[in-house]
Amino acid sequence: KAGVTQTPRYLIKTRGQQVTLSCSPISGHRSVSWYQQTPGQGLQFLFEYFSETQRNKGNFPGRFSGRQFSNSRSEMNVSTLELGDSALYLCASSSLTGSTGELFFGEGSRLTVL
Amino acid sequence: AQSVSQHNHHVILSEAASLELGCNYSYGGTVNLFWYVQYPGQHLQLLLKYFSGDPLVKGIKGFEAEFIKSKFSFNLRKPSVQWSDTAEYFCAVNAGTSYDKVIFGPGTSLSVIP
Repeated sequence: KAGVTQTPRYLIKTRGQQVTLSCSPISGHRSVSWYQQTPGQGLQFLFEYFSETQRNKGNFPGRFSGRQFSNSRSEMNVSTLELGDSALYLCASSSLTGSTGELFFGEGSRLTVL
Repeated sequence: AQSVSQHNHHVILSEAASLELGCNYSYGGTVNLFWYVQYPGQHLQLLLKYFSGDPLVKGIKGFEAEFIKSKFSFNLRKPSVQWSDTAEYFCAVNAGTSYDKVIFGPGTSLSVIP
């Protein structure tokens, strides 16, 4: 069974640009969560999608957005990039949301903003 | 809002030493608790989880954790660590509903010296 796939793995952008990250969940998983990982801050929850609907949202500004497609693939977008957006962005899929489903993580997309 | 704290940012141990990593959460209701591990160069993976029942749960690779409801704690233990346990460990919690987000602590970096 293929794992969670995230693309691109690495990318470099400059301030003010926007970026789109993609996540393909494990086949059959309908929940996709996104996290921002930075040193010392751990994993900060961005949002979670289930069946194309955003069900949970973290405390990030509106520049961070996401969506989920009918095949459960998800994308997240960050507009007007800032230096502080440099981080590892992790996607996790689950067969069910939250409590009853183990999160399966991808390897992440490492974003560097210059 | 839920939050998770981990007692130590970085722990250094010699092989065969015993390990205990502290984790406290803030949430008054029913919770589900997790420990995830991130080995160097690998993706996050589930170490163990508590949903209900016996508060002492056993996970992979000889790890165990004890849920103490009165202390809002879920500490991770291993009687004898190995060099291969060098990794970052994350405690996580979500409210005891099917649809709530999983919140992670800031992580504890464990270095095991041969």
